[in-house]
Amino acid sequence: AQKITQTQPGMFVQEKEAVTLDCTYDTSDPSYGLFWYKQPSSGEMIFLIYQGSYDQQNATEGRYSLNFQKARKSANLVISASQLGDSAMYFCAMRDSGDKLIFGTGTRLQVFP
Amino acid sequence: GAVVSQHPSRVICKSGTSVKIECRSLDFQATTMFWYRQFPKQSLMLMATSNEGSKATYEQGVEKDKFLINHASLTLSTLTVTSAHPEDSSFYICSARDVEWGPGGTPPYEQYFGPGTRLTVT
Repeated sequence: AQKITQTQPGMFVQEKEAVTLDCTYDTSDPSYGLFWYKQPSSGEMIFLIYQGSYDQQNATEGRYSLNFQKARKSANLVISASQLGDSAMYFCAMRDSGDKLIFGTGTRLQVFP
Repeated sequence: GAVVSQHPSRVICKSGTSVKIECRSLDFQATTMFWYRQFPKQSLMLMATSNEGSKATYEQGVEKDKFLINHASLTLSTLTVTSAHPEDSSFYICSARDVEWGPGGTPPYEQYFGPGTRLTVT
């Protein structure tokens, strides 16, 4: 069965520093997609970055990059130059060939000055 | 582009009443919409997949007679919580998938999420 694991319930980072949020996954499907979403206190889910299982390069979107290690089944999110506005819940998710999104339990990131 | 709205954003209702939540794709057509539920400090759990013009597919453990889903058009899906009880209080989020396909025949990979509806049943 497909599974997403986020082992960090909470993380702290100082402003302007980089932070890595961990995500591991498990699937037997050779074709899948990995996503990261940000959920601020207002509740909306904000799409950050996507990595396809066949993509050769790690995805990057501005200050967000995804450290995709297929053999280890990990898809860690790296946020560079953290900002106070980055404080939020972050969810890793996987979409398999069945097109459903399975979410991890989330990591609460707090950025301090 | 790719904006999804939900209405209402917040609703309080009395136990035993029914509540309807609307999910609309504003600038694209969505053959498929998804409904999620999120309890406080927990993750999103998929409740059902809604396909335009056909019956919704419910996840295991979700009562289809309690959570009625109607996807009447390519831009609107509704979730009706029937005979709501306090344990139904939760944050309900919908997402919509564009009909456009990606290169190589792959389906669009991104679900666009609505802002959510916070339901409180007293």
